[in-house]
Amino acid sequence: QKEVEQDPGPLSVPEGAIVSLNCTYSNSAFQYFMWYRQYSRKGPELLMYTYSSGNKEDGRFTAQVDKSSKYISLFIRDSQPSDSATYLCAMTTGGYNKLIFGAGTRLAVHP
Amino acid sequence: GAVVSQHPSRVICKSGTSVKIECRSLDFQATTMFWYRQFPKQSLMLMATSNEGSKATYEQGVEKDKFLINHASLTLSTLTVTSAHPEDSSFYICSASGQPVTEAFFGQGTRLTVV
Repeated sequence: QKEVEQDPGPLSVPEGAIVSLNCTYSNSAFQYFMWYRQYSRKGPELLMYTYSSGNKEDGRFTAQVDKSSKYISLFIRDSQPSDSATYLCAMTTGGYNKLIFGAGTRLAVHP
Repeated sequence: GAVVSQHPSRVICKSGTSVKIECRSLDFQATTMFWYRQFPKQSLMLMATSNEGSKATYEQGVEKDKFLINHASLTLSTLTVTSAHPEDSSFYICSASGQPVTEAFFGQGTRLTVV
């Protein structure tokens, strides 16, 4: 079993839809959670960073962490074609430890 | 977010030569830097982790003599692919973090083609 599970998709939605992206994890020591967006042939861009359980909102993006269920989500409201990319979840225990990434979900938002 | 600059963005080299890729953190002190390799339509594969002033820690299966990593300052890390072969052709990405590692910022990536 992988430490972090993420459905690779692809996920195709119409413009304006609400998108839900999810990751589950097995290591209860993970404390810090991130969502990255990666366009083709570019480095990942940090979208959201959360520490505690609960919701964090930034514009059209909401990150949700449920540590009791070991489950994190990223919601995208009013999705746009420019949101078409691969979304990677990542998490770490902190300290000197590396980030553990999900496989990434490919999202396509069509006009 | 913080800015991490990676250079070059694209490089073509002949088989047998060495290539150096630079990763700079422009607006924060990068105590820890990570180097990844990414194949098309696949997730990031961590190659090594380096802390400033220390030797890099390589992941299992990554040849440390082939992929030389130097992290001499809090703003610069380099990856040198030595004696490159066509199978080393890939997308290489660095990321930088402060300490403790809580979030990391990525460079733009380098597409290496070995001919």
